Amino acid sequence: QKEVEQNSGPLSVPEGAIASLNCTYSDRGSQSFFWYRQYSGKSPELIMFIYSNGDKEDGRFTAQLNKASQYVSLLIRDSQPSDSATYLCAVNRNNNDMRFGAGTRLTVKP
Amino acid sequence: KAGVTQTPRYLIKTRGQQVTLSCSPISGHRSVSWYQQTPGQGLQFLFEYFSETQRNKGNFPGRFSGRQFSNSRSEMNVSTLELGDSALYLCASSLEDRTYEQFFGPGTRLTVL
Repeated sequence: QKEVEQNSGPLSVPEGAIASLNCTYSDRGSQSFFWYRQYSGKSPELIMFIYSNGDKEDGRFTAQLNKASQYVSLLIRDSQPSDSATYLCAVNRNNNDMRFGAGTRLTVKP
Repeated sequence: KAGVTQTPRYLIKTRGQQVTLSCSPISGHRSVSWYQQTPGQGLQFLFEYFSETQRNKGNFPGRFSGRQFSNSRSEMNVSTLELGDSALYLCASSLEDRTYEQFFGPGTRLTVL
């Protein structure tokens, strides 16, 4: 079992729609959870972090965490073509021991 | 505040050689992590340094090593390069707080011929 699993996609949504990205993790003791966006040829850029169960909203982005189910998700509302990128889920297991999923490629079509 | 910087940005080496990559973290960040990114394996954790000590380590062979200096700058070294070491090497820095938000540098693209 991989430490962090994501659907590789590609996920395609029309402009203005909600994009839903999912991630599961194996280490139940993991403490904090991150979503990064990576454009082709660029380094990952931090979008959101969450460490408590429930939802966390920041503009058009909402991160959701369910530790009992070992599940993290990212919702992007009113998706824009500029949101087209690979989204990486990352899990901090303990003291900055960070593991990444393989990423989900998102395409937002105008 | 300046971001994470990495040097060099591009490197071409041949099999059997060794290479040293450098990373300067964001001012005030004392934790530095290194990752290898390839199309097939994604972003894989190499190791993390804090206060000049390796605190966490991923599943890479001993050919991959690193160190951190008292000013938090870090270097990683790969000895006896193999073709499969061709990758983007990313460095990320973070504050030592409960969230551990990591901020990435632009990366070093290593090509092994």
